[in-house]
Amino acid sequence: GAVVSQHPSRVICKSGTSVKIECRSLDFQATTMFWYRQFPKQSLMLMATSNEGSKATYEQGVEKDKFLINHASLTLSTLTVTSAHPEDSSFYICSARPLTGGDEKLFFGSGTQLSVL
Amino acid sequence: KQEVTQIPAALSVPEGENLVLNCSFTDSAIYNLQWFRQDPGKGLTSLLLIQSSQREQTSGRLNASLDKSSGRSTLYIAASQPGDSATYLCAVRRSGNTPLVFGKGTRLSVIA
Repeated sequence: GAVVSQHPSRVICKSGTSVKIECRSLDFQATTMFWYRQFPKQSLMLMATSNEGSKATYEQGVEKDKFLINHASLTLSTLTVTSAHPEDSSFYICSARPLTGGDEKLFFGSGTQLSVL
Repeated sequence: KQEVTQIPAALSVPEGENLVLNCSFTDSAIYNLQWFRQDPGKGLTSLLLIQSSQREQTSGRLNASLDKSSGRSTLYIAASQPGDSATYLCAVRRSGNTPLVFGKGTRLSVIA
């Protein structure tokens, strides 16, 4: 089956630093990547949609200057949390839509647990 | 805007019981519905996917049904085991190029 690799799986950083999360489709090309975040005991909330080669579309309430998304190729999308603060501590997970082979399923990375001290 | 609700929020059952998890969604114009399992601090494991034209899907001890017109889905787990303990998430998509919209999940504990 299709595999989405997400790194790092866990990161602890100091307040004010930036953190980059990578989401890579290993055996397929992804035309679209969806980025979600999940606070403890809450559901996954869509943050943004990124399409290869174009600017990401952010959901209402998500700061585009704080959460930088780059989708430079059909196999890699990155989310950078700039100047992270404790309130950004959350579980971040990406989801990829295959370019070919049907739209039935989206494939998820294993997630990144971000803790900002 | 699509909203997905899952009931109950938490459930604790003794091992061996059959159980039903409920999911409802406000907009019946869906492309498909998917059930996931999430273990604490982990990613998602896809359990079952039901296309909008289908009524149910089965995999092992799991059976998911879909009643699109009433905006409901159920996940039936037969003969529950302690290893089934996890959070179960229901999610729907509006079309093939849109993201999944998730419910808050049901936290299941199966007691040995």
